[in-house]
Amino acid sequence: TQLLEQSPQFLSIQEGENLTVYCNSSSVFSSLQWYRQEPGEGPVLLVTVVTGGEVKKLKRLTFQFGDARKDSSLHITAAQPGDTGLYLCAGRPNTGGFKTIFGAGTRLFVKA
Amino acid sequence: SAVISQKPSRDICQRGTSLTIQCQVDSQVTMMFWYRQQPGQSLTLIATANQGSEATYESGFVIDKFPISRPNLTFSTLTVSNMSPEDSSIYLCSVEDRGGRINEQFFGPGTRLTVL
Repeated sequence: TQLLEQSPQFLSIQEGENLTVYCNSSSVFSSLQWYRQEPGEGPVLLVTVVTGGEVKKLKRLTFQFGDARKDSSLHITAAQPGDTGLYLCAGRPNTGGFKTIFGAGTRLFVKA
Repeated sequence: SAVISQKPSRDICQRGTSLTIQCQVDSQVTMMFWYRQQPGQSLTLIATANQGSEATYESGFVIDKFPISRPNLTFSTLTVSNMSPEDSSIYLCSVEDRGGRINEQFFGPGTRLTVL
């Protein structure tokens, strides 16, 4: 079974703190996506990483794709209450097929 | 990215009834998917909606319970049949943008279903 393992599953922090969410697999991915889902909404695509070692920044969010394209991380600097939500990583393994695999998600709560 | 709408946004239904959820996309797309998201959980793929042919269902999901229509490249429906409280969930429609070699999915706002 090809899995994307996310950690931590739940994170509750104070406004202003930094945090990192991890997404790991034993499979190689051609690309990985990160989504954020707020209550009552569908997941919204934040970023896609494609190249091994790639780093992308989106304001206070920094996304990294592992050199071997098996893992990715999301780092948030100076978290704000508006960052609260469910963060999902997703990707399609290189082994073929067209099914996208989703991680179990990291539920982040940022307290003011 | 595609703009996706779903109807209804939420519903409360009685056990044993059926609900049809509609998904409309503002552009023609080849791949459309239906997901279920149970409270506090990640996404589970129900099926891939194929235009002009039967949907492809994932393990644990069957056509009799979740019939799907895909009459054209911008529209699909998912019916939840003979509902039970265990079907209470968020149902999400998504489409895939195959821009180049990157396969990105975009999601509708979801339909929140509560079965009493």
